[in-house]
Amino acid sequence: AQSVSQHNHHVILSEAASLELGCNYSYGGTVNLFWYVQYPGQHLQLLLKYFSGDPLVKGIKGFEAEFIKSKFSFNLRKPSVQWSDTAEYFCAASGTYKYIFGTGTRLKVLA
Amino acid sequence: DTGVSQDPRHKITKRGQNVTFRCDPISEHNRLYWYRQTLGQGPEFLTYFQNEAQLEKSRLLSDRFSAERPKGSFSTLEIQRTEQGDSAMYLCASRTEGSGGTGELFFGEGSRLTVL
Repeated sequence: AQSVSQHNHHVILSEAASLELGCNYSYGGTVNLFWYVQYPGQHLQLLLKYFSGDPLVKGIKGFEAEFIKSKFSFNLRKPSVQWSDTAEYFCAASGTYKYIFGTGTRLKVLA
Repeated sequence: DTGVSQDPRHKITKRGQNVTFRCDPISEHNRLYWYRQTLGQGPEFLTYFQNEAQLEKSRLLSDRFSAERPKGSFSTLEIQRTEQGDSAMYLCASRTEGSGGTGELFFGEGSRLTVL
């Protein structure tokens, strides 16, 4: 069955701390991977995506993610978080057209 | 605003009533999706349209749920005989026709349903 798992449900960090959010997927065949972010009161928007090539992808606002095929993982990282990164983060996987989302990680950054 | 728009943003209804949500995707997007999101969960896939054709419907959707996209532009999601368990945020997303599932989904702000 297709699924996406996010193991960290709530993360609290101080500003300037480093961030790593875990994502594991189970998806038969070729998979495309995404991280979406939802800021308070706003709609979901794309942070970054991977579908081929360099497994280390860079997105907006200093975020990056690494695709590790052998571990079925696509973890999100940021070296130094800011208060404005407070949001909910969703990992997603797709095949030909269907996008499956994880349960999300709620990140709170303390100023 | 050229983003995905959803209407209404909030709907409060009594159990047993019918409700309808509308989604207007980005104009050149021929792929349209409906998702449902409840507290503490990620978006759950409900259904998918390619132009006016509904290509997949999740088992999450009982026969009380129906979605249409009659002219391949806007879409409606109707819930008949609402139940309290239908209370959720209903999200619409659209994307262009691209190679497989690599395209970015553009989401609307959602329609929040509360069933009393």
